[in-house]
Amino acid sequence: AQKVTQAQTEISVVEKEDVTLDCVYETRDTTYYLFWYKQPPSGELVFLIRRNSFDEQNEISGRYSWNFQKSTSSFNFTITASQVVDSAVYFCALSHYNQGGKLIFGQGTELSVKP
Amino acid sequence: EAGVVQSPRYKIIEKKQPVAFWCNPISGHNTLYWYRQNLGQGPELLIRYENEEAVDDSQLPKDRFSAERLKGVDSTLKIQPAELGDSAVYLCASSVTGGGTEAFFGQGTRLTVV
Repeated sequence: AQKVTQAQTEISVVEKEDVTLDCVYETRDTTYYLFWYKQPPSGELVFLIRRNSFDEQNEISGRYSWNFQKSTSSFNFTITASQVVDSAVYFCALSHYNQGGKLIFGQGTELSVKP
Repeated sequence: EAGVVQSPRYKIIEKKQPVAFWCNPISGHNTLYWYRQNLGQGPELLIRYENEEAVDDSQLPKDRFSAERLKGVDSTLKIQPAELGDSAVYLCASSVTGGGTEAFFGQGTRLTVV
């Protein structure tokens, strides 16, 4: 079975707090890709990051960081010093190398950052 | 460079009426996807094109949905006749190729069937 679970439906934080969005995936394949997308109120899904299953190095990009752990099938996303502009729905997604880029999305986590 | 362009942004129709959505992908992107996003859910793939060939349409309800991608560029998704349950956001995306490259999404068409 191929599945992505984002157990946190909604998270609310105050500006400047750190926040972690959880993502757990299920797959039997050994070669796959994991993604995070941001969906602001405008509706467009904005690509944030892609990781392949052979690269477990954590990545940091500005205030964003990602922690990929194959042992726990997790790909968590942390925003440091959150800002109001980070308010959006965030989706984690899974893709298999032999499925032509088809993305399997989680249900999303709605992040609200209050001033 | 322009992103994925979709039109219309919003559409309200009565049930049993036809509706069509249009998508212009990023120039040079060979793979085009149509996803449907129900309220409070993640998007789900309806159909994937490699150039002008539909290579994965297993999730497309073929009794009422159809799609085409003439000349391997623009694409149209059609519903005829629409049902109340078709109310959703229809998202188009494109990528350079399939197989793990990142996909870029348009703003979507929000369809309301009344």
